[in-house]
Amino acid sequence: GENVEQHPSTLSVQEGDSAVIKCTYSDSASNYFPWYKQELGKGPQLIIDIRSNVGEKKDQRIAVTLNKTAKHFSLHITETQPEDSAVYFCAASRDYNTNAGKSTFGDGTTLTVKP
Amino acid sequence: GAVVSQHPSRVICKSGTSVKIECRSLDFQATTMFWYRQFPKQSLMLMATSNEGSKATYEQGVEKDKFLINHASLTLSTLTVTSAHPEDSSFYICSAPWTDGYNEQFFGPGTRLTVL
Repeated sequence: GENVEQHPSTLSVQEGDSAVIKCTYSDSASNYFPWYKQELGKGPQLIIDIRSNVGEKKDQRIAVTLNKTAKHFSLHITETQPEDSAVYFCAASRDYNTNAGKSTFGDGTTLTVKP
Repeated sequence: GAVVSQHPSRVICKSGTSVKIECRSLDFQATTMFWYRQFPKQSLMLMATSNEGSKATYEQGVEKDKFLINHASLTLSTLTVTSAHPEDSSFYICSAPWTDGYNEQFFGPGTRLTVL
């Protein structure tokens, strides 16, 4: 089955700096790679995703890159703000029809943005 | 994006009682829903896949008689924790995938279960 590794487990940055979180996956058939933000006591929220036919995607201060050959993808947050502090999870999955919607999640990264 | 709700958001119960948690897709139909359990500072652990109109599929090590799942309609799945014990205390989260060919998941806000 799929295995997703996420690094680092904790990340502390100064407000305004950039933050990068990296994930690797093992299943070459995976084609969907979302990133979720989870605040304390809440469910995960999708913040950005990338599909296997795209190498990079950007949404304001957040960007995700995908290297299918190397089987890794990364989340980049620029100009970090204290409200970016949360746990971030990456995930990988095949398309819905192949795997009935199952995703494999990384272990999470606790991001702390210091004001 | 699509919205998934969960009810209740927080429940405290006595040991030995059963607790039902509801997961609803509010603006789309979900033939499949997923139930996760999350321990403090840990990742999401998939417990089971809820299938509308058929039996749930449980992950290895999850007791199907302890965690009963019913997916009675295209917008509602329920998880019942039967004869709850303190070790069942956890954060339970459901999700529903957007079936557009890819696997975009929408998560509920979670239910904090505390068993005394």
